Amino acid sequence: DAGVIQSPRHEVTEMGQEVTLRCKPISGHNSLFWYRQTMMRGLELLIYFNNNVPIDDSGMPEDRFSAKMPNASFSTLKIQPSEPRDSAVYFCASSNRGLDGSPLHFGNGTRLTVT
Amino acid sequence: GDSVTQMEGPVTLSEEAFLTINCTYTATGYPSLFWYVQYPGEGLQLLLKATKADDKGSNKGFEATYRKETTSFHLEKGSVQVSDSAVYFCALSLGGGGADGLTFGKGTHLIIQP
Repeated sequence: DAGVIQSPRHEVTEMGQEVTLRCKPISGHNSLFWYRQTMMRGLELLIYFNNNVPIDDSGMPEDRFSAKMPNASFSTLKIQPSEPRDSAVYFCASSNRGLDGSPLHFGNGTRLTVT
Repeated sequence: GDSVTQMEGPVTLSEEAFLTINCTYTATGYPSLFWYVQYPGEGLQLLLKATKADDKGSNKGFEATYRKETTSFHLEKGSVQVSDSAVYFCALSLGGGGADGLTFGKGTHLIIQP
């Protein structure tokens, strides 16, 4: 089990540029979550998918943020255009929905810095 | 809405000291409760969980008991080690912990000094 894999680990970009974060969930998991972590706001759920379908995107801060899950083994979170206040660590997590108490498995995160 | 409140950090203790990190929650239903741990540069890892009232979750010497009457899930360990230094997150879920995501507390940074 390779765990949840995120790329890149670090991303530094200039304001206005497009940023794409990638995630490969654990094989067999049917739910995928994107979280953002900052010192000020802690961990915030941005969006989650079940069976590749977005279920709740109410945590997505603005239209500049979008997420896709074209298949069960891949998801992207895109920010366009990026702004300095988007700087944070973005985590992807997956789980097996329907299994009572099934925990979330987190990737190691992408640290995004927008200058 | 649902929320989790944890004690503010950092919490600094000496090795072998007793640890308590307080956690209380507000939820509209009957949540499952979790403690996650985050080591530097890594994602969160599940430490322990409890899915109903009076359940006790335990792992690696850590324990927490689901107290419905006080809406609490305090984390305890009898003798901490330097390797326990990390950020600890209390969380709740109304969907079994995986179905609909978790609501996290802001985390408590624990520092254990030798």
